[in-house]
Formats: sequence, structure tokens, C-alpha cells
Amino acid sequence: ETGVTQSPTHLIKTRGQQVTLRCSSQSGHNTVSWYQQALGQGPQFIFQYYREEENGRGNFPPRFSGLQFPNYSSELNVNALELDDSALYLCASSAGGGLVSGNTIYFGEGSWLTVV
Amino acid sequence: RKEVEQDPGPFNVPEGATVAFNCTYSNSASQSFFWYRQDCRKEPKLLMSVYSSGNEDGRFTAQLNRASQYISLLIRDSKLSDSATYLCVVNGGGNTPLVFGKGTRLSVIA
Repeated sequence: ETGVTQSPTHLIKTRGQQVTLRCSSQSGHNTVSWYQQALGQGPQFIFQYYREEENGRGNFPPRFSGLQFPNYSSELNVNALELDDSALYLCASSAGGGLVSGNTIYFGEGSWLTVV
Repeated sequence: RKEVEQDPGPFNVPEGATVAFNCTYSNSASQSFFWYRQDCRKEPKLLMSVYSSGNEDGRFTAQLNRASQYISLLIRDSKLSDSATYLCVVNGGGNTPLVFGKGTRLSVIA
């Protein structure tokens, strides 16, 4: 519907493991941002990539890292998983390099991560 | 003080009721304001932007008071399909990311 697709939709990992989440942006969008939404909370900004470079980061530790590829698809990697990393991870795409405005951002359906 | 604070909810209202959600933000440099809707286990979707002059979209009215750093959303004639979580969202001014409130859950009951 939004043209932003994420995979996997659900996954379960054990504490200490590493996870990679993937996002395919809407066609023509060169900016992707990632958000973490814990249960009962609003989405929290993790970081944003523009033309394969990180150009903004929220208050998340370095074990949260990302990549953006030339086709503007993106990955979120989380190392040394902790129980508190259990959340919905949302990818959002937009056009333009600045940190996105709320009326131009398109979310994917998210990846549900459970850490046990 | 949290950057964006919303009514904790949940709000349980009968069909046809009018319901208002309130939101306050702490960053006086904030420039853009939005209400998003999030259905259960789904992604957030833009409901409407909020302008200084206030704006209306059908049964939905959004208001912004910059002096009080306060945003509101009014839903008239509530429908069952309005049941969702409503997220207040603020752009922090300049080149800063969106900041989301925790959301207020609305349940419209037949």
C-alpha cells in the first residue's frame, strides 16, 4: 500500500544473538529512517540514511547499525540482542535528504522482533 | 519533561460521541505537527497535519497553540472504525527527526 516493504514480518531471537531486518523503500525515495516501537510506546527514532550515508541518529547504542544500498533498500542490524530490544521495528522512506517531515514519510508494516 | 506528552487513555466512547485528544510538546523550536493513526499491530499512518490556523478534515479537527505548546485533535460523530491509537507527532525544528508521543488509544463502542 505505501510501497515500503519490510522483512521478516515476525522473528524470534535469543539474547546475545544478532539480527538483520530489511526494508525496500518506495520507488524514487532516497532516504530511509528506522524506528523502534516498544509495546505501549510511540516509535523512537533510531537513525536515518540518505544516499548510503547515515545523516541522523537517535539515542541508541552502537550495536544498532544500518546500511543503505545503491537501490535505496536498507538494513537494520542489531548485535548482542537484549530482552528490551523486543519491539516493532519500522522502516520509513521519503524523498529528499533532510530529516523527514511527517507528511512525506511512508512507513512499512514493520518487523516484530521478540528476544527470549 | 518528555518531548511529546499525550493523554494516557484509553478512551472508551459510544458511537456518535465527540472525543478530544490533547498533546503538549517541550521544544519551542518545533515547526511541524501531525496526528498519526495506528491500528492494532499495524504501522502508523498520517491522519492529518496540524496548522497554526487550525484545520479540519471531515469529522476531524486539529488545533495548534504555539504559545502553550499544545496540540489537540477533535473527532466528531465517532464511528466504530475510528477505534485505534492516535499518535501526536512533532518535528523538532530544523534538521531534526520526528518525535512521537506514546499515543492515546480510542475504543468506540456500539
